[in-house]
Amino acid sequence: EPEVTQTPSHQVTQMGQEVILRCVPISNHLYFYWYRQILGQKVEFLVSFYNNEISEKSEIFDDQFSVERPDGSNFTLKIRSTKLEDSAMYFCASSGQVKTYEQYFGPGTRLTVT
Amino acid sequence: AQSVAQPEDQVNVAEGNPLTVKCTYSVSGNPYLFWYVQYPNRGLQFLLKYITGDNLVKGSYGFEAEFNKSQTSFHLKKPSALVSDSALYFCAVRDILNAGNNRKLIWGLGTSLAVNP
Repeated sequence: EPEVTQTPSHQVTQMGQEVILRCVPISNHLYFYWYRQILGQKVEFLVSFYNNEISEKSEIFDDQFSVERPDGSNFTLKIRSTKLEDSAMYFCASSGQVKTYEQYFGPGTRLTVT
Repeated sequence: AQSVAQPEDQVNVAEGNPLTVKCTYSVSGNPYLFWYVQYPNRGLQFLLKYITGDNLVKGSYGFEAEFNKSQTSFHLKKPSALVSDSALYFCAVRDILNAGNNRKLIWGLGTSLAVNP
């Protein structure tokens, strides 16, 4: 069964450093998302991406964040200058055609900013 | 504002007993509702959805959920719980305020289900 994959599983970085989180969505999916989950808190939407552009972003997704789909398979989230409060589990998700409403999630990347 | 509430932080049931994990929602218009499960150190796995049609929807691993429009609820149920069902369960609603390709999910806080042998 196809699945969303994410790398790395755990990333430790120093405050102020740039990180890139990588995702490979399910191959025939058209919609891509990033969510994050701070430990003990709810899952929060960051950004959605369709047709090679951002379709919506949340207040969390400020100028320090960017997304890219550099080729036909990868979908990346970049944080330019990490802050302590960026420490969280970051989930990538994808969904398929117009009438497929459920999103399929990857296993997540745990980002620890020190 | 659209929101999802899961009123119980934790639910404890004995193996073999029926389980219910509660979810209520607040949206404008007709909701698209989802249940996901998260096992320790794993991602979010889709369990089931309600889009339209029968109010009782069946999903993976023997779970089902009942959509109740008058009570704005979408409770997750299983007739006979297994120890392996112990996990974190999230209810989510699709953002339907915006048209087009925006499909973000709005999440509840999650309910930890513990099934005791």
